[in-house]
Amino acid sequence: GNSVTQMEGPVTLSEEAFLTINCTYTATGYPSLFWYVQYPGEGLQLLLKATKADDKGSNKGFEATYRKETTSFHLEKGSVQVSDSAVYFCALSDMASGYSTLTFGKGTMLLVSP
Amino acid sequence: GAGVSQTPSNKVTEKGKYVELRCDPISGHTALYWYRQSLGQGPEFLIYFQGTGAADDSGLPNDRFFAVRPEGSVSTLKIQRTERGDSAVYLCASSGRAGEKLFFGSGTQLSVL
Repeated sequence: GNSVTQMEGPVTLSEEAFLTINCTYTATGYPSLFWYVQYPGEGLQLLLKATKADDKGSNKGFEATYRKETTSFHLEKGSVQVSDSAVYFCALSDMASGYSTLTFGKGTMLLVSP
Repeated sequence: GAGVSQTPSNKVTEKGKYVELRCDPISGHTALYWYRQSLGQGPEFLIYFQGTGAADDSGLPNDRFFAVRPEGSVSTLKIQRTERGDSAVYLCASSGRAGEKLFFGSGTQLSVL
């Protein structure tokens, strides 16, 4: 079956530090990969996605590259801000069925201090 | 509405009681999903609706859980004989069509005492 493993948190950083949150996956098919973010008190929001090998998803300064050879989709940002404090979820979607049921990792909490 | 709306935002019930959780998807969205997020875990898929029909209910944990979407818009997740292990945040998401971007609601926090 499909599964997603991401690094445990919390990740605590100072403002302007470099961020990496590791994510690896196991999938039977050829999945699409996603990062979702959950800000305090809000619903899950799609942050970025990649649909095929070597694709790079990017949004709001965050990036992640679909690495099929290492089955990874690590999230990076060059300079974090306090407003980036949230829980980040790596997820995959196997579209073989024609619709997207997401398989999520456990989430990684990011805390950024001024 | 502007986004996916879920009510109530919080529900506290006693073990053995029946509960209903409501999801109002974005207007015009035909695909609707329910997920469950237990403490410290990522969301887990429960059920997917395309229109009025449940196209995939493989994630429902047992027959105490049931969901409907009679008019292809609002959906209700029903849990019978609640157990303490049912305590979680229940998330609803919708998309314009199957396979398109999912929009999530803020969830219903269910607490079974």
